[in-house]
Amino acid sequence: QVHLVESGGGVVQPGRSLRLSCAASGFTFSSYVIHWVRQAPGKGLEWVAVISYDGTNKYYADSVKGRFTISRDYSKNTLYLQMNTLRSEDTAVYYCARVLGPDDAFDIWGQGTMVTVSS
Amino acid sequence: SYVLTQPPSVSVAPGQTATITCGRNNIGSKSLHWYQQKPGQAPVLVVNDESDRPSGIPERFSGSNSGNTATLTISRVEAGDEADYYCQVWDSSSDHVVFGGGTKLTVL
Repeated sequence: QVHLVESGGGVVQPGRSLRLSCAASGFTFSSYVIHWVRQAPGKGLEWVAVISYDGTNKYYADSVKGRFTISRDYSKNTLYLQMNTLRSEDTAVYYCARVLGPDDAFDIWGQGTMVTVSS
Repeated sequence: SYVLTQPPSVSVAPGQTATITCGRNNIGSKSLHWYQQKPGQAPVLVVNDESDRPSGIPERFSGSNSGNTATLTISRVEAGDEADYYCQVWDSSSDHVVFGGGTKLTVL
């Protein structure tokens, strides 16, 4: 079965760092573009970042550019999101989701991991 | 910035048809997708590329996209359809994904 499983969320103080992971299974990891999408409590979906299937292209939402870094490890079939200089407004559930190509839909989502930025 | 406009809420009685819109100038030129999200759950794709349904999604869910408006139509609405619905496109000019603000569907 096709799965994406996020981990690494938790409570962190403002200005600190956190790294999220997204473990992929049941499909050819290297064939898919993978995104991070977040959802603040009671709010809508917000796109965060994307990494191409071969890892060469990465794009970020303006709200996280310069603070967050997306990467992937093909030996572990795992996607990462390194989050630095965290702010209270980064508090959200973070989902990873896959697409086959840029215009394609997110056909598989993880269950999400909660990040709370609070002192 | 690229904005997709959805109504915040739509209400419909069971058995009736719900229509949820997603608007932007010339949105009909884009590949647009719809997701359903129930409380505490991850989003689920319900309509792919304006009008295709993934496996397991009932035929009651359909979509269209033309001109300045995309539409998700849910026929014969059931209590289990109550959820938030989001439209989504890829903005190739900025290499960003854009979501609509979401529409809460209430089944009366």
